[in-house]
Amino acid sequence: GAVVSQHPSRVICKSGTSVKIECRSLDFQATTMFWYRQFPKKSLMLMATSNEGSKATYEQGVEKDKFLINHASLTLSTLTVTSAHPEDSSFYICSAGDRVKNIQYFGAGTRLSVL
Amino acid sequence: EDQVTQSPEALRLQEGESSSLNCSYTVSGLRGLFWYRQDPGKGPEFLFTLYSAGEEKEKERLKATLTKKESFLHITAPKPEDSATYLCAVQARGNNNDMRFGAGTRLTVKP
Repeated sequence: GAVVSQHPSRVICKSGTSVKIECRSLDFQATTMFWYRQFPKKSLMLMATSNEGSKATYEQGVEKDKFLINHASLTLSTLTVTSAHPEDSSFYICSAGDRVKNIQYFGAGTRLSVL
Repeated sequence: EDQVTQSPEALRLQEGESSSLNCSYTVSGLRGLFWYRQDPGKGPEFLFTLYSAGEEKEKERLKATLTKKESFLHITAPKPEDSATYLCAVQARGNNNDMRFGAGTRLTVKP
């Protein structure tokens, strides 16, 4: 399957700092990327849909000023967790949508721990 | 609202003991149903896409089937390396390719 690179895989930060997570589509151009959050032993919850060159679409209940998404190119989307707090600790996963195959390919995820 | 319900929540099998995982769904016009495998601490790995009732897809020991209300993931003679969480997701027509995921089935295959 296609390769989606997500970085970093793990980050530990102090409360109040901002954390940026990168998601790169390595072998196809992704006009749409998705950001999910996953709690332990739970399923993936869609946070937002990131469209290249336009504003992201956020799911209900997700604060857009808290979770800043930028999709500046067809191969890169970033999620910035601003002023992180312990309740933001979670597993964040991105995916890139291959429109030709109609498949979402996922990154390996980022484990965020806010102290 | 689109809904995806997976059962059982957890399944423990002996190596070689075949079984099936269920994914029941309600969606306003199904565009596609997807199966993914997720290992602990990793992102989901794509397995299958099914588009219409009656369709079947196979890959090694896995076979996915689809009806108008549910999908099954059949596992034949599983091995310990098949242990993982299996996620089902639906995509509705007209959406921006986004998917709604079920809670998953945690499969453990004991040697």
